[in-house]
Amino acid sequence: AQSVSQHNHHVILSEAASLELGCNYSYGGTVNLFWYVQYPGQHLQLLLKYFSGDPLVKGIKGFEAEFIKSKFSFNLRKPSVQWSDTAEYFCALRSARQLTFGSGTQLTVLP
Amino acid sequence: EAGVAQSPRYKIIEKRQSVAFWCNPISGHATLYWYQQILGQGPKLLIQFQNNGVVDDSQLPKDRFSAERLKGVDSTLKIQPAKLEDSAVYLCASSRGLAGDNEQFFGPGTRLTVL
Repeated sequence: AQSVSQHNHHVILSEAASLELGCNYSYGGTVNLFWYVQYPGQHLQLLLKYFSGDPLVKGIKGFEAEFIKSKFSFNLRKPSVQWSDTAEYFCALRSARQLTFGSGTQLTVLP
Repeated sequence: EAGVAQSPRYKIIEKRQSVAFWCNPISGHATLYWYQQILGQGPKLLIQFQNNGVVDDSQLPKDRFSAERLKGVDSTLKIQPAKLEDSAVYLCASSRGLAGDNEQFFGPGTRLTVL
């Protein structure tokens, strides 16, 4: 069985602080990894994805994530957050045909 | 390009009643997904269609949930009878195909409250 763990349920930061959200997964085969974001009142949307190749992937709005196979991790980072980054962030793993989500991390950025 | 459409946006029913949700995917997307998102959790896949055929319904509680996509476009998800624990947001998503590199696009969801 596959699973995704996001240990930070709620993160509160001030503007310009650096962000790192943890994501660990459990699956023995080849994985595709994603970060999705849901801004208040909006749909879930793709932030970035990793399929293969360079383990450091860049997404929209200055976000990046690093795939570390040995640690089964795919942490999301941003060097300097903005108030507009306030949202819920979901890590997801795709194996075979199924997308499995973590429980999400609510990020609140204080102005 | 129009996104994934869902209706209704909100629904309140009493337990043991039935309810149906509708989804219209992005034009040309062959694959359609229904997810259940309970408060405080991530979305959980209920059922996945490829055109009008079911690809995966292993997590669908088939004693009370059913879904169809008869013409390979729109889809309906039904709950009959509803239980309190069915209170959740029901998300529909679509993608061009089944391959893992096909991005899934999500609709706004239907928030169901069962009293």
